[in-house]
Amino acid sequence: DAGVIQSPRHEVTEMGQEVTLRCKPISGHNSLFWYRQTMMRGLELLIYFNNNVPIDDSGMPEDRFSAKMPNASFSTLKIQPSEPRDSAVYFCASWGPPGTEAFFGQGTRLTVV
Amino acid sequence: SQELEQSPQSLIVQEGKNLTINCTSSKTLYGLYWYKQKYGEGLIFLMMLQKGGEEKSHEKITAKLDEKKQQSSLHITASQPSHAGIYLCGADNPNTGNQFYFGTGTSLTVIP
Repeated sequence: DAGVIQSPRHEVTEMGQEVTLRCKPISGHNSLFWYRQTMMRGLELLIYFNNNVPIDDSGMPEDRFSAKMPNASFSTLKIQPSEPRDSAVYFCASWGPPGTEAFFGQGTRLTVV
Repeated sequence: SQELEQSPQSLIVQEGKNLTINCTSSKTLYGLYWYKQKYGEGLIFLMMLQKGGEEKSHEKITAKLDEKKQQSSLHITASQPSHAGIYLCGADNPNTGNQFYFGTGTSLTVIP
């Protein structure tokens, strides 16, 4: 398996534009997580899915953020409209059964100007 | 929810010095995981501990889980610049749902 694949690796966009981040988890993993990392706030959990169903989205900052997982092999995190304070590195992680480690993608570095 | 607190938040050491990072849980841990992140890169899995009192080593990094399974420490012997980065502890607990938690992170700088 190629691991967790995120795209794009880097994204620069103008304030007000829509941004879509993509994630392909490891095949067979039932849980998928979206995290945001900034220098100020560290690593924050935004939302996680279990068997494609959103379980906890309490970390999603506001209504501008939305996440979907239409099937077991794909998830998106959308920001509409984007703002400069959304600039961060966004990580996707997938996880199998308890007792195994979570695997992270390389992250998407988002810059909103 | 399960909370993991790491200390210290940041650490600056001279190359060759030993150091310890701690991770404390508010609840009994099922599994405790240590990750390392080089600045600007993804998280790399280091080690997993599951049994109370367990200790594992990888090169110059040793991780321990206490008997009560509520605290873990990561010890680096003779630190090198390559050890620099952010260290995160993570945990899972099937009793609180299928969620993977992370600690607050410790930023390590090693001065040559």
